[in-house]
Amino acid sequence: AQSVTQLDSQVPVFEEAPVELRCNYSSSVSVYLFWYVQYPNQGLQLLLKYLSGSTLVKGINGFEAEFNKSQTSFHLRKPSVHISDTAEYFCAVSDLEYGNKLVFGAGTILRVKS
Amino acid sequence: NAGVMQNPRHLVRRRGQEARLRCSPMKGHSHVYWYRQLPEEGLKFMVYLQKENIIDESGMPKERFSAEFPKEGPSILRIQQVVRGDSAAYFCASSPTSHGDIQYFGAGTRLSVL
Repeated sequence: AQSVTQLDSQVPVFEEAPVELRCNYSSSVSVYLFWYVQYPNQGLQLLLKYLSGSTLVKGINGFEAEFNKSQTSFHLRKPSVHISDTAEYFCAVSDLEYGNKLVFGAGTILRVKS
Repeated sequence: NAGVMQNPRHLVRRRGQEARLRCSPMKGHSHVYWYRQLPEEGLKFMVYLQKENIIDESGMPKERFSAEFPKEGPSILRIQQVVRGDSAAYFCASSPTSHGDIQYFGAGTRLSVL
């Protein structure tokens, strides 16, 4: 079965510092990978996606992620964070074997401090 | 083009009552997904529907929960005889086509069972 592990439940970081949110997945077939962001009491907004092609994916708000098939990872990075990036971030995977449903990690809360 | 619309945003029910959650997908989207987010947890897939058909209900509890997506009108997630453990945020997502396409999320319905 698919599973997604987000290794950090909370990541505190100072404003303008770089950040990496880690995500590992398990799947036996080709996968599609996504990062979503959730602001308090709101729905999920897509940050970026990997379907195929280049392993470095650029998303909105200056975020990027790198797909590493050998390490089954899809870590999210941003070189310089802002206070407004404070939110919860979810990594998700879907694959051909399990159809359209997204399997989500437990989430990482990014807290940006001034 | 309006996004995915869910209503109500907040729903309070007493134990034993019924809860009906509505989801109108984005215009042109015929695929609808329901997810549940329990406190302090990530989103868990419940059910995937296309117009008039349930495609995958592997995440639905066996009793009290049902979903439909009629030819006309919104998708409905129905919970009969609610219990306190049903308290959660329920999110609907839609996509225009099948596998690999981006799922766009609504703002969610927060169900509180007293």
